[in-house]
Amino acid sequence: SQTIHQWPATLVQPVGSPLSLECTVEGTSNPNLYWYRQAAGRGLQLLFYSVGIGQISSEVPQNLSASRPQDRQFILSSKKLLLSDSGFYLCAWSVKFRNTEAFFGQGTRLTVV
Amino acid sequence: GQSLEQPSEVTAVEGAIVQINCTYQTSGFYGLSWYQQHDGGAPTFLSYNALDGLEETGRFSSFLSRSDSYGYLLLQELQMKDSASYFCAVISTGGFKTIFGAGTRLFVKA
Repeated sequence: SQTIHQWPATLVQPVGSPLSLECTVEGTSNPNLYWYRQAAGRGLQLLFYSVGIGQISSEVPQNLSASRPQDRQFILSSKKLLLSDSGFYLCAWSVKFRNTEAFFGQGTRLTVV
Repeated sequence: GQSLEQPSEVTAVEGAIVQINCTYQTSGFYGLSWYQQHDGGAPTFLSYNALDGLEETGRFSSFLSRSDSYGYLLLQELQMKDSASYFCAVISTGGFKTIFGAGTRLFVKA
């Protein structure tokens, strides 16, 4: 069966510090991969999606970047965090060419102080 | 641009039926999905509609009208555990992107 791992679960970082969130998927090959951010009590904002290794599409200009160094690994990064980067970050995957259902990781709650 | 509209909150009593509406405006529409999210948890998939009509999965049903750019999620025999946020999501751009609405918070009362 397929599983998705996302870590860490919670993170408190000072303004100006770097960020690296990692997500890995097991049990499937060549998935579509996604990073979403959710502000408290709000919807999910699509940040990045990837249809293959090294292929990253950015949805919203911001202080973040994403990379996909391996087929089932998706990394969200920032060189210098801003207060506005605080939120609940969710990684998700879907079957290639069948994006009807996305499977989410348990999320990382990031607080920038 | 792309946008989805759904009510921010709905309250219903245990055992009742509730309908959560979603209207969307998007390019390259592929289908409409629904997700449930409990506080602090990850969204989980409920239902998907690619064609007009009703899809039924147990106590949950989802409806789509492509001509009206409208869909809804119907929850029957409400239980306390159904208290959660419900999101409609549009799949667009050749099936690669999933854009979520702001979510509807459902409160189920005894």
